[in-house]
Amino acid sequence: KNQVEQSPQSLIILEGKNCTLQCNYTVSPFSNLRWYKQDTGRGPVSLTIMTFSENTKSNGRYTATLDADTKQSSLHITASQLSDSASYICVVSRQGSTLGRLYFGRGTQLTVWP
Amino acid sequence: EPEVTQTPSHQVTQMGQEVILRCVPISNHLYFYWYRQILGQKVEFLVSFYNNEISEKSEIFDDQFSVERPDGSNFTLKIRSTKLEDSAMYFCASSGEGLGTGELFFGEGSRLTVL
Repeated sequence: KNQVEQSPQSLIILEGKNCTLQCNYTVSPFSNLRWYKQDTGRGPVSLTIMTFSENTKSNGRYTATLDADTKQSSLHITASQLSDSASYICVVSRQGSTLGRLYFGRGTQLTVWP
Repeated sequence: EPEVTQTPSHQVTQMGQEVILRCVPISNHLYFYWYRQILGQKVEFLVSFYNNEISEKSEIFDDQFSVERPDGSNFTLKIRSTKLEDSAMYFCASSGEGLGTGELFFGEGSRLTVL
């Protein structure tokens, strides 16, 4: 079964601190993995997209890693800001499916405190 | 910056009523999608649409759902006879490519409440 699991479910950190979110997937055959940020009541916004051959991709303070052998990914956020408070969702797609046929994780709810 | 827009932002309806959710994708995009997110749960894929036909759909997208591109700009999701369990946030998305690693742009969502 094609699944995406994320941990932790929720996380509270102080402003300025770093954090790392985890994603494990069983989606197969793998095409690509995306990390999205979703503010409460809003649509998801793309942070990174990685294919099988990419190990690391950065977007500002966000750095995603991918280990396609172990089917694991992480999202590292450095120097957190209050505006980073949101749900971070790991999303995986299969080869042969349409681009939008995506498998979503439940997300990690990040709260950044001042 | 181009964006996907959705209307209404919130709709309340009685069980059994028909509902139409509207989306205006990014103007030069050709691939369109609907997703739903039940409160507290993960986002779920409903359907992909290209060239006036469904490309792919999930098991959730049963006969009570339909999609249409009635003109050159709108993309709609119709729920024929709503059920309580249809209460969710519905997201529309569009992309310029149909496969691979193209960027997917989501709208802000339409919250549907079925009473």
